[in-house]
Amino acid sequence: EADIYQTPRYLVIGTGKKITLECSQTMGHDKMYWYQQDPGMELHLIHYSYGVNSTEKGDLSSESTVSRIRTEHFPLTLESARPSHTSQYLCASEVPGLTNTEAFFGQGTRLTVV
Amino acid sequence: KQEVTQIPAALSVPEGENLVLNCSFTDSAIYNLQWFRQDPGKGLTSLLLIQSSQREQTSGRLNASLDKSSGRSTLYIAASQPGDSATYLCAVNDYKLSFGAGTTVTVRA
Repeated sequence: EADIYQTPRYLVIGTGKKITLECSQTMGHDKMYWYQQDPGMELHLIHYSYGVNSTEKGDLSSESTVSRIRTEHFPLTLESARPSHTSQYLCASEVPGLTNTEAFFGQGTRLTVV
Repeated sequence: KQEVTQIPAALSVPEGENLVLNCSFTDSAIYNLQWFRQDPGKGLTSLLLIQSSQREQTSGRLNASLDKSSGRSTLYIAASQPGDSATYLCAVNDYKLSFGAGTTVTVRA
């Protein structure tokens, strides 16, 4: 079983609030990802990181921001939540650059902005 | 930019039939390809990883093939069961993980 955790699992929050979605892994993986997935739709990469102090924007433009101060921790922040941010957010990690490395996913955070 | 396509988008079969799920990708310079399963509202569970140098990988009733030069992978699920009902996602890893839209499988009892 993968040791990657996302909190909270579910969040309902009002418009305009600042929120931080947490993602932690205990596998020592340098590469981490955030994906956004609307119900029944495909995953879209919104952020990724190669390691500490590295953050990159993904394929889908997002109003969220990320930080990577510690290897094991990759939080995602929305400064002012809007109903359009309602979605599932999935975090993943892997050892980068190796052909035999698997990516592992957390259970996701389902965000609803009302 | 890597583009990943999965065909078909949905599949419904009676229990016991074999399943064939297809994945194609545009850039063959990949490290590996991974097949995942996703149940409704849940995260992703890794099923199989095929390294770029491998042609296939097997786990139980699952077998995945990879033809890197033509940009194709196929996931075979033998003797399907109702518990196999889920969405199956193909992910290609070059310097980042790129996903297809998935194939939603329904196995009828």
